[in-house]
Amino acid sequence: EPEVTQTPSHQVTQMGQEVILRCVPISNHLYFYWYRQILGQKVEFLVSFYNNEISEKSEIFDDQFSVERPDGSNFTLKIRSTKLEDSAMYFCATKTGGYSYEQYFGPGTRLTVT
Amino acid sequence: GQQLNQSPQSMFIQEGEDVSMNCTSSSIFNTWLWYKQDPGEGPVLLIALYKAGELTSNGRLTAQFGITRKDSFLNISASIPSDVGIYFCAGQPLNSGGSNYKLTFGKGTLLTVNP
Repeated sequence: EPEVTQTPSHQVTQMGQEVILRCVPISNHLYFYWYRQILGQKVEFLVSFYNNEISEKSEIFDDQFSVERPDGSNFTLKIRSTKLEDSAMYFCATKTGGYSYEQYFGPGTRLTVT
Repeated sequence: GQQLNQSPQSMFIQEGEDVSMNCTSSSIFNTWLWYKQDPGEGPVLLIALYKAGELTSNGRLTAQFGITRKDSFLNISASIPSDVGIYFCAGQPLNSGGSNYKLTFGKGTLLTVNP
């Protein structure tokens, strides 16, 4: 069964450093998302991406964040200058086209900012 | 943003018991989905609901989309140890605008099953 994959599984970085989190979506999916989950809390929407552009972003997704799909397969989330409060699990999710809300999540990247 | 209230926050049950949890909102929702998350992993989709009153099953799991479109419940029958995890409801409010299908999540119900 097709799965969303994410790399790395765990990233430790120092405050102020740039990180890039990578996701390989399910192959025929057209909508891509990043969500964040701070330890012990709920999953929060960051950004949605469709037709090679951002379709919506949350208040969390400030100028330090960016997304792109450079090669038509990988979908990346970049945090330009990490802060301590960016420490969280970051999940990529994808869905097919059409009227469906069924998003399939990857296993996540645990980001630890020290 | 929209708030989804899940209850209970946590449950401790014996293997074989049935479980019920629910999710409510002050807003009308287009859709309700239920996910399960194991520790250190991503949410796994269990059931998706699209119409008010809809009742859908997936094995021992049954979920319903409330008639008012402001709530949903998830039942698990004859629980087993591998049902342990956090169950999240999620959905999109009717008035959220846009067509990006983003999801708003509840805070989750932690289920513990004692063998």
